[in-house]
Amino acid sequence: NAGVMQNPRHLVRRRGQEARLRCSPVKGHSHVYWYRQLPEEGLKFMVYLQKENIIDESGMPKERFSAEFPKEGPSILRIQQVVRGDSAAYFCASSGTDGGGNTIYFGEGSWLTVV
Amino acid sequence: DAKTTQPPSMDCAEGRAANLPCNHSTISGNEYVYWYRQIHSQGPQYIIHGLKNNETNEMASLIITEDRKSSTLILPHATLRDTAVYYCIVRVGALTSGSRLTFGEGTQLTVNP
Repeated sequence: NAGVMQNPRHLVRRRGQEARLRCSPVKGHSHVYWYRQLPEEGLKFMVYLQKENIIDESGMPKERFSAEFPKEGPSILRIQQVVRGDSAAYFCASSGTDGGGNTIYFGEGSWLTVV
Repeated sequence: DAKTTQPPSMDCAEGRAANLPCNHSTISGNEYVYWYRQIHSQGPQYIIHGLKNNETNEMASLIITEDRKSSTLILPHATLRDTAVYYCIVRVGALTSGSRLTFGEGTQLTVNP
């Protein structure tokens, strides 16, 4: 994985608390994707962002979830009032603008456990 | 994104070539074939991608049929560390609103000693 950094790697939250997951893309990449993987399930797309813009949020739950990718700093996936069903691995990926067939690189994930 | 079809599981002997097939009969002219793998509890790892021509890198080779309706990922000398779920994904190459990767079920490759 070519340099996508996610933190924290592991996060434990009590029900009702907020979880903030951060993603620093590969240097020079301005496109970020977030995916969720529930236990024993496949990877599900959540949201696609460019700097300061949400391009595709068709996979985001309608409530409690939000994402941003500000002009400066990392992308943030925010989950408000977490519930046990939010326990999952959250993967961030990034891509550059290097012409046709852009490659998307993934980070190692953030594991959220809600107790 | 066009749908892909992969066998759910395959086995391969260590040191032998692993050939993972993928069908994508509804692929469009501007869609690329991408391969990723996910080793348990790790992030998906990019392997290779191609449009029309066969491609090779340090990890693998990608063979795309002339009609582009199917492809094969080849790991030339599989090792135990290649045991993973392998995903064949078709997506547009340009960064548009539809350029996300859509993961299917993939193929669980098990490399045996």
